Amino acid sequence: GAVVSQHPSRVICKSGTSVKIECRSLDFQATTMFWYRQFPKQSLMLMATSNEGSKATYEQGVEKDKFLINHASLTLSTLTVTSAHPEDSSFYICSATGTSGAPDTQYFGPGTRLTVL
Amino acid sequence: GENVEQHPSTLSVQEGDSAVIKCTYSDSASNYFPWYKQELGKRPQLIIDIRSNVGEKKDQRIAVTLNKTAKHFSLHITETQPEDSAVYFCAASSVHTDKLIFGTGTRLQVFP
Repeated sequence: GAVVSQHPSRVICKSGTSVKIECRSLDFQATTMFWYRQFPKQSLMLMATSNEGSKATYEQGVEKDKFLINHASLTLSTLTVTSAHPEDSSFYICSATGTSGAPDTQYFGPGTRLTVL
Repeated sequence: GENVEQHPSTLSVQEGDSAVIKCTYSDSASNYFPWYKQELGKRPQLIIDIRSNVGEKKDQRIAVTLNKTAKHFSLHITETQPEDSAVYFCAASSVHTDKLIFGTGTRLQVFP
């Protein structure tokens, strides 16, 4: 149980384009989803927290107009990187808490490696 | 806000030896402390967690201890194996927020 998927696993795009990343909870309802960014050999940095049906809460320093988050259902959250630039290249990972396990246990997706040319 | 420090940043041990990774946290309201293992390019996987009402928890070769007074918690891996090689992250969250604040990670290498 508690499986989280992400799509795509890898994406390469040109500067100025937008990229959408999907995060799905496959066998439980995710009341809260989290989006992290991880640079090579570094820790996970929380970008935002989203609760189903409400606006995401962004961490300090994260531009909400650049990283659009939608959590329209209890099994799906999306992160859209708008007008991507090379500095947005990173490993993006989502996690979810909900009806599986303890309410604060986060289960992670496999991550999406974004490369902006 | 919460700040989590983790040491050491790298740890090399011989197969069969024990490995210990230590973390400290700043927010006395923190009450949940998970440990994640992340292999290169993969997702973080929860390996063990502990809550503030418990001082120690063990699962086969892995154990975690928590000292609330000193605000530190540690991961202990006994009888290490080469497949234990990975990056390990500690994290903390408080009763007031569902956010996890991660430590900086420890790269563990177990040599055969």
